[in-house]
Amino acid sequence: ETGVTQSPTHLIKTRGQQVTLRCSSQSGHNTVSWYQQALGQGPQFIFQYYREEENGRGNFPPRFSGLQFPNYSSELNVNALELDDSALYLCASSDRQGFSGNTIYFGEGSWLTVV
Amino acid sequence: AQKVTQAQTEISVVEKEDVTLDCVYETRDTTYYLFWYKQPPSGELVFLIRRNSFDEQNEISGRYSWNFQKSTSSFNFTITASQVVDSAVYFCALTGSSNTGKLIFGQGTTLQVKP
Repeated sequence: ETGVTQSPTHLIKTRGQQVTLRCSSQSGHNTVSWYQQALGQGPQFIFQYYREEENGRGNFPPRFSGLQFPNYSSELNVNALELDDSALYLCASSDRQGFSGNTIYFGEGSWLTVV
Repeated sequence: AQKVTQAQTEISVVEKEDVTLDCVYETRDTTYYLFWYKQPPSGELVFLIRRNSFDEQNEISGRYSWNFQKSTSSFNFTITASQVVDSAVYFCALTGSSNTGKLIFGQGTTLQVKP
């Protein structure tokens, strides 16, 4: 039990649509990161939020955006969905900002299929 | 640039055999952390271990053991007396002071333990 919950667990969207994925972190975990994991690949870092501000971004276009809220929840928004966006999206949280040697806990992920 | 290589794509063993999963990393950071995660079919990344770059002591946790060697930039994971429940995808990951805490994952090794 990691204390990180994600919703929805599975969803299907049509190309061009928009999607919002949600994550609830452990209390006190003020750092949240999002990862995209395509089938058969390792997770790829999308971005990180610390105290409600973006704090590092991977090689993803601006149509991938996020929000972090004071209650330790966060969102990943993806606009103009493309077929290649089909993947498992993982939320990760920890209790220290930026470079951290602390344990990073993951949720079970949201499986997104774009058709 | 940072990189993690897991050269073994798939490994199949019979229950009770020992198995070693290899992980080789590249980084220019002097301070960095290495992780191993287990990913069952459900998708959640389960934390197994975190090791910092200044601690080269090997670690044992039950049937699991890890061998960290800075001289060869390797952080290998051994399961002793494997069990069917060990079947999963295993990821090695790296984070360092130069990358704002994002995890760099390897491609993963799929371990199948047959009864």
